[in-house]
Amino acid sequence: NAGVTQTPKFQVLKTGQSMTLQCAQDMNHNSMYWYRQDPGMGLRLIYYSASEGTTDKGEVPNGYNVSRLNKREFSLRLESAAPSQTSVYFCASMAGALTDTQYFGPGTRLTVL
Amino acid sequence: AQSVTQLGSHVSVSEGALVLLRCNYSSSVPPYLFWYVQYPNQGLQLLLKYTSAATLVKGINGFEAEFKKSETSFHLTKPSAHMSDAAEYFCAVSDSTGGFKTIFGAGTRLFVKA
Repeated sequence: NAGVTQTPKFQVLKTGQSMTLQCAQDMNHNSMYWYRQDPGMGLRLIYYSASEGTTDKGEVPNGYNVSRLNKREFSLRLESAAPSQTSVYFCASMAGALTDTQYFGPGTRLTVL
Repeated sequence: AQSVTQLGSHVSVSEGALVLLRCNYSSSVPPYLFWYVQYPNQGLQLLLKYTSAATLVKGINGFEAEFKKSETSFHLTKPSAHMSDAAEYFCAVSDSTGGFKTIFGAGTRLFVKA
């Protein structure tokens, strides 16, 4: 039982390049989330998927797209990376109730030059 | 809309001293509240949560938090700090507006001095 896995762990991009961050969970959770973490700003929700087949914007969706590939996988795509997207990205999953715990992946540290 | 405010971005205590991390919430409905901990270079993990049962909630590693409706607070405490408690702590509230989202505070970094 690996929990939530993310790839890659580290990535350096040049401005304008694209990339996809991958996330998978093996807990049969319904809901999945993408956050970014920046110093002093806590966690900000980028996109989420409350259930398979649905995706919705969070607090900071501009410059990102997501795909809920199946119940296990939820990917985040940067179409044209900008230095402002330098951050640590976390994927999380939750069974699907307000009292549930979110389970987080180890994060991807992205630098955009 | 719900929100949480963590008072103090940094807290420093000596080993063996009381740990107190403050969190206040704003919610128009009974809230579900959480404390998560993040150790260096790791994702967040749950410390404890309040889901409207007992107001004093015990979590892992000796931490506990008390839900006080009159003060709209959910402060995190530990009687005696250990070096291994050095981490960043996030208070969070479930967003009842839909989507099973969680709203996180800005975080408090705890330093423990030997």
